Amino acid sequence: DAGVIQSPRHEVTEMGQEVTLRCKPISGHDYLFWYRQTMMRGLELLIYFNNNVPIDDSGMPEDRFSAKMPNASFSTLKIQPSEPRDSAVYFCATLLGAEQYFGPGTRLTVT
Amino acid sequence: ELKVEQNPLFLSMQEGKNYTIYCNYSTTSDRLYWYRQDPGKSLESLFVLLSNGAVKQEGRLMASLDTKARLSTLHITAAVHDLSATYFCAVGNNDMRFGAGTRLTVKP
Repeated sequence: DAGVIQSPRHEVTEMGQEVTLRCKPISGHDYLFWYRQTMMRGLELLIYFNNNVPIDDSGMPEDRFSAKMPNASFSTLKIQPSEPRDSAVYFCATLLGAEQYFGPGTRLTVT
Repeated sequence: ELKVEQNPLFLSMQEGKNYTIYCNYSTTSDRLYWYRQDPGKSLESLFVLLSNGAVKQEGRLMASLDTKARLSTLHITAAVHDLSATYFCAVGNNDMRFGAGTRLTVKP
């Protein structure tokens, strides 16, 4: 298995632009998580899905952020419009039983 | 709200020495995780602790869990340079909360 796949690995965009981050989970893993990592705030859980259904989005910082999981093989995290303070590494992770697996992350820079 | 505190946040060790990283959490939880992160990399799972008194060991690292004290420890034995990384604990079932991380540097 290729593990959790995220794309793009790096994204540089200008303030105000829309950004879409993508995640392909490990097949058969029924939970999917989106995290954000910054120096100031550490690792934060943004949202998680169970069987493609959003369960808890209380970590989503504001309405500019949205996440979808249209099927078991794909999830997106969208920021519209982006702001410089959104610059961070965004990780997607999946869970099967008690084991969580992280993707390689997307490093987002908003200028 | 669940809070997770790690200490120390920074740790500089000599090779061959032993040390312990502590993880305290504020509310009851069924699961505690330890992860390793190298600079610019993703998180690598080290241990999952699921019950009071659980102890797991892998190489020079040993993790334990005391659910009554809401405390987990990550013990490093005879540190080597390759262990230099940031170590995170995380607590929770699905809505996991992470500690701030302990940046470990092992010096020759």
